[in-house]
Amino acid sequence: QVQLVQSGAEVKKPGASVKVSCKASGYTFTSYYMHWVRQAPGQGLEWMGIINPSGGSTSYAQKFQGRVTMTRDTSTSTVYMELSSLRSEDTAVYYCAKVRPRNDAFDIWGQGTMVTVSS
Amino acid sequence: QSVLTQPPSVSAAPGQKVTISCSGSSSNIGNNYVSWYQQFPGTAPKLLIYENNKRPSGIPDRFSGSKSGTSATLGITGLQTGDEADYYCGTWDSSLSAVVFGGGTKLTVL
Repeated sequence: QVQLVQSGAEVKKPGASVKVSCKASGYTFTSYYMHWVRQAPGQGLEWMGIINPSGGSTSYAQKFQGRVTMTRDTSTSTVYMELSSLRSEDTAVYYCAKVRPRNDAFDIWGQGTMVTVSS
Repeated sequence: QSVLTQPPSVSAAPGQKVTISCSGSSSNIGNNYVSWYQQFPGTAPKLLIYENNKRPSGIPDRFSGSKSGTSATLGITGLQTGDEADYYCGTWDSSLSAVVFGGGTKLTVL
């Protein structure tokens, strides 16, 4: 079945970087864009950006530009999201989410990766 | 402050119907498809509605979506205690070139 499996929880110090992985299975990895969405504790969903697994092109939310990098490895059907210069406000659950064929909704979500930023 | 506006909470009795509104503008809801997601505590969101009013396979027809102008609505009939969750609307914003979400609505089934 189609699924996205993310890497485990991380604890980082302020100023550090974190790299979260999302391994896809059950479908053609390069056929569907992948997005990253985060959710701070008790808060709503916040879109971070998108990557085209086929060519690797990316587009990031303005809020994260300069701090986020999304990459992919087609040999392992995995996308990565790296966030740098971490601050306490980055403490959140980070989700990868696959889009539907018409790019109009997220039909499959990863289980989420908790990233805690604390000194 | 979310780009899309949802009520923070709604409530209704089991068996009743509830609607959740999602208000935006011409740059988002007005010219793009709306989707709805259900999220239980500690779990990932789940797609409920796409393209304003379509249900993925496996989603019961108790869930419905509609859109008019710059607003969208999620309807849930025959409420069950198992429907208690947070609900989010989402769409593309052409001005921001970004996906935007509502702040979420907590549904309580009394």
